Amino acid sequence: QVQRHGSGPGLVRPSETLSLSCPVSIDSMTSYYWSWIRQPPGKGLEWIGYISDSGSTDYNPSFKSRVTISIDASKTQFSLKLRSVTAADTAVYFCAYSQYEGYFDYWGQGTLVTVSS
Amino acid sequence: DIQMTQSPSSLSASVGDRVTFTCRASHSISTYLNWFQQKPGTVPKPLIYAASRLQSGVPSRFRGSGSGTDFTLTISSLQPEDFATYYCQQSYSNPYTFAQGTKLDI
Repeated sequence: QVQRHGSGPGLVRPSETLSLSCPVSIDSMTSYYWSWIRQPPGKGLEWIGYISDSGSTDYNPSFKSRVTISIDASKTQFSLKLRSVTAADTAVYFCAYSQYEGYFDYWGQGTLVTVSS
Repeated sequence: DIQMTQSPSSLSASVGDRVTFTCRASHSISTYLNWFQQKPGTVPKPLIYAASRLQSGVPSRFRGSGSGTDFTLTISSLQPEDFATYYCQQSYSNPYTFAQGTKLDI
């Protein structure tokens, strides 16, 4: 299992955009779905959305109006942008992936993002 | 959205005990049900997929069953390393939802 670590600022101000990235490994033999999942402190897990190797995306409707997940042009990282954040977006954000849609077989270490002024 | 509910929310047990967690979906999800184990400050670990299939490396004392709306995770003989929080998650439809978890402690 490859260790994948998200990266990005740990502190974001209210109303600004949370940006995180996570490494990907794309090859011609296997296709993956690359997801973001979050966990507020002391609470449960919430799926945010995914991007596939082909670039198709699917988002949780709860976030759809303010989230973008993308893969960079070099196909070495996938990113999360969550706009107009509030304190309720404070959470550990995990990247995860699987060959199968809706599954999360491999997880990154998680990044704590705090939304505060 | 498909709502996932686990019971109980917490459970106390001892090493060697057999424990069972229940997970219920608000709509039928066939066997699109997965279980995760999470210890404090760590990444969720996949245990079971498709309701009953063990992920590679997961001990055989873990057993999942169920289909439709009702599912169970059974640990046949608790080991010290099993004390953690367990989550079920449906992969049937967007949004892919998790239940609130069952905390298993000593």
